[in-house]
Amino acid sequence: QKEVEQNSGPLSVPEGAIASLNCTYSDRGSQSFFWYRQYSGKSPELIMFIYSNGDKEDGRFTAQLNKASQYVSLLIRDSQPSDSATYLCAVITNAGKSTFGDGTTLTVKP
Amino acid sequence: SAVISQKPSRDICQRGTSLTIQCQVDSQVTMMFWYRQQPGQSLTLIATANQGSEATYESGFVIDKFPISRPNLTFSTLTVSNMSPEDSSIYLCSVMDASEGAKNIQYFGAGTRLSVL
Repeated sequence: QKEVEQNSGPLSVPEGAIASLNCTYSDRGSQSFFWYRQYSGKSPELIMFIYSNGDKEDGRFTAQLNKASQYVSLLIRDSQPSDSATYLCAVITNAGKSTFGDGTTLTVKP
Repeated sequence: SAVISQKPSRDICQRGTSLTIQCQVDSQVTMMFWYRQQPGQSLTLIATANQGSEATYESGFVIDKFPISRPNLTFSTLTVSNMSPEDSSIYLCSVMDASEGAKNIQYFGAGTRLSVL
């Protein structure tokens, strides 16, 4: 089992729809959770971070964390073509190690 | 947020040669990492650069092939030694402030796109 798993892609949604990206992690003691966006040919950039159970909203982005289920998600509302990218889930494990998922590629079709 | 300058941005090298990649941060950071990313693939951690001591390498990566230096809290280098075409990839420097009260957010340099002929 991978330490961090993301839903297999690619994911395609129409413009204006909600894109849902999911991530599960194996280390129950993990404390910090991040979503990064990576455009083709560019380096990853931070979108959201979340540390507590529940939802955290920032503009069109909402991160959701459920530590009991070891699950973190990213919702993108009113998806735009500019949201088309690969989204990486990252987890800081209990040992302080940063682990990335393989990424989910999102395409938003106009 | 940390601003990272990574050089060179790209290079084309001959088989058997070595390339040193530099990573300069605009502030002192506790953690510096080196990643490799093949096109269309996810990030693979090569090693954690430790200030004043030997880097901590991940499984499959060795110091002889990827020597790393970190002389201070703002600078690190990664050398790709005795290169072969299989080393063609994007190499990324990343930093994290893991000090108490920090958010453990990682920031990435723009990357070095390496092609080995």
